[in-house]
Amino acid sequence: EIVLTQSPGTLSLSPGERATLSCRASQSVSSSYLAWYQQKPGQAPRLLIYGASSRATDIPDRFSGSGSGTDFTLTISRLEPEDFAVYYCQQYGSSPLYTFGQGTKLEIK
Amino acid sequence: QLQLQESGPGLVKPSETLSLTCTVSGGSISSSSYYWGWIRQPPGKGLEWVGSIYYTGSTYYNPSLESRLTISVDTSKNQFFLKMRFVTAADTAVYYCTRATRSGSHHPDFDYWGQGTLVTVSS
Repeated sequence: EIVLTQSPGTLSLSPGERATLSCRASQSVSSSYLAWYQQKPGQAPRLLIYGASSRATDIPDRFSGSGSGTDFTLTISRLEPEDFAVYYCQQYGSSPLYTFGQGTKLEIK
Repeated sequence: QLQLQESGPGLVKPSETLSLTCTVSGGSISSSSYYWGWIRQPPGKGLEWVGSIYYTGSTYYNPSLESRLTISVDTSKNQFFLKMRFVTAADTAVYYCTRATRSGSHHPDFDYWGQGTLVTVSS
């Protein structure tokens, strides 16, 4: 099983700042099969990034994804108030077919 | 606009069977372009993939849950279903139904989610 470890667990920043979230895999993950999701309280997760770096439909361009192999990054260039949420990375392809990281909580400083 | 809606009992007794339905509207579950799945989230915790199904009935299960699971589809009703047997308190979670878009023979991420339904396992 591929384990995804996200860091930091909690990130405290102010609106307007840049956020960098990390997702490290225990084994190499195909870049085509690494996704990021945003989840706000009481809501379902929303797909932000697929294929490590492609933005999903209607996702603002302040969100970007990068990385390969075992190290992937989600960057939010300038935080808006609505960006404070929990973020999950997810891989596909290894048994179990899908696994998620434990999440990074992005909170307002 | 595609919508997915979970339904089913919110309370299940230990050792009994959890049964959920996902109704898909605004699109056809019989499309060859999509897989349909279940993901759960225990209160205050992270996400766990439960299993997925293709409209033909082909299924993929999380090995940690496989022995207790059945996922099925009814294309005539545009619905798919989750049955989980012998539930315990550890199965208490919000259960989401999801869609994954096919890319060749793969279906790597979940682009649509239902709002989720909380299932509590308790006597």
